[in-house]
Amino acid sequence: AQTVTQSQPEMSVQEAETVTLSCTYDTSESDYYLFWYKQPPSRQMILVIRQEAYKQQNATENRFSVNFQKAAKSFSLKISDSQLGDAAMYFCAYRSADFGNEKLTFGTGTRLTIIP
Amino acid sequence: DTAVSQTPKYLVTQMGNDKSIKCEQNLGHDTMYWYKQDSKKFLKIMFSYNNKELIINETVPNRFSPKSPDKAHLNLHINSLELGDSAVYFCASSQGYRTGSGELFFGEGSRLTVL
Repeated sequence: AQTVTQSQPEMSVQEAETVTLSCTYDTSESDYYLFWYKQPPSRQMILVIRQEAYKQQNATENRFSVNFQKAAKSFSLKISDSQLGDAAMYFCAYRSADFGNEKLTFGTGTRLTIIP
Repeated sequence: DTAVSQTPKYLVTQMGNDKSIKCEQNLGHDTMYWYKQDSKKFLKIMFSYNNKELIINETVPNRFSPKSPDKAHLNLHINSLELGDSAVYFCASSQGYRTGSGELFFGEGSRLTVL
């Protein structure tokens, strides 16, 4: 079974600074997806960024980028120019590409605080 | 126009009661899910359905019974509620096997409180 580990329960960053959230995962599969979801206090789950395992290029979405290291099974999220609205729980998630096992497996989350 | 909608958003009930949560998606997706988020914010898969067929059942007590009348709807019925059932329940949907972006689209969650 796949597992996802987020070793930082809480992080804080000054507004406008950069922060990196860590995520590692364990799998024996070669084809899969990785995601970062954000959950603000409203509790809505919002997709931040996605990465397909077969793509070597790191995904980027505006101020959000990932460092995907497939051999090391590492998938960190970098938030640049942090804004107050970035304050939330961030979940790293793994999804198999195999039929019948397409669930998302989540890490335990990192609570990000933005300091004004 | 909400993509994945759940009702109700909040339920407060007594131990031993039965309750249902309904979920509908208008995205045309083939696969739907129920997730449970506990008090420590941990999200765990409960069930998934693909075109009305149960695909994943993750060691959930049989007091929980999902029902999918069609591929746009996935309801969750819980019998004999216990204190430990208090949680936020999320419905989600995704496109089918190896199609689309792979992401799950989530509803807003239903907070269940058992007293």
